[in-house]
Amino acid sequence: KAGVTQTPRYLIKTRGQQVTLSCSPISGHRSVSWYQQTPGQGLQFLFEYFSETQRNKGNFPGRFSGRQFSNSRSEMNVSTLELGDSALYLCASSLDTGDNTEAFFGQGTRLTVV
Amino acid sequence: GESVGLHLPTLSVQEGDNSIINCAYSNSASDYFIWYKQESGKGPQFIIDIRSNMDKRQGQRVTVLLNKTVKHLSLQIAATQPGDSAVYFCAEGGFGNEKLTFGTGTRLTIIP
Repeated sequence: KAGVTQTPRYLIKTRGQQVTLSCSPISGHRSVSWYQQTPGQGLQFLFEYFSETQRNKGNFPGRFSGRQFSNSRSEMNVSTLELGDSALYLCASSLDTGDNTEAFFGQGTRLTVV
Repeated sequence: GESVGLHLPTLSVQEGDNSIINCAYSNSASDYFIWYKQESGKGPQFIIDIRSNMDKRQGQRVTVLLNKTVKHLSLQIAATQPGDSAVYFCAEGGFGNEKLTFGTGTRLTIIP
């Protein structure tokens, strides 16, 4: 069974540009969450999608957005990139069916903004 | 705001010894707690979880203890091995696991 797949693994963008990151959850998982990881702030929750709907949202500006497709794959977009957006972006998927809510993380996308 | 924090940023343990990693949380409404292990270049890996209606849960070589009175969570790793070297995060949230708040992490180094 394939794990959570995130693409690309590494990305370098210029300040002011926009970027789209992709996440393919484990087959059968309907919940997909996104996190930003930086040395200074640690792991911070961005948003969570379930059945193509954003169910939870963290405290990030509107430049950060996401969506989920009918096959549960998810994308997140960051517009007008800032230097401080440089981080490891992690995606996690889970079955989210009552007793089984364990979240499995992908390896992340390392975004560098220059 | 609500936060989850770790007491020690780094911990070095002799191989074969037991290790204990601590975590303090502040959101008394949290009812689900998880420990993750993150190795260099990888995403966090689930280790063990515990619900707020429990105070102890054991896995393979790992035990999580939850003290709701003082809002404290700990991870015990028995008979540590070199492969246990990693950064360990505690996380809290609702049982739906939809929105986890992570601690800052503790780097555990196993000394051969």
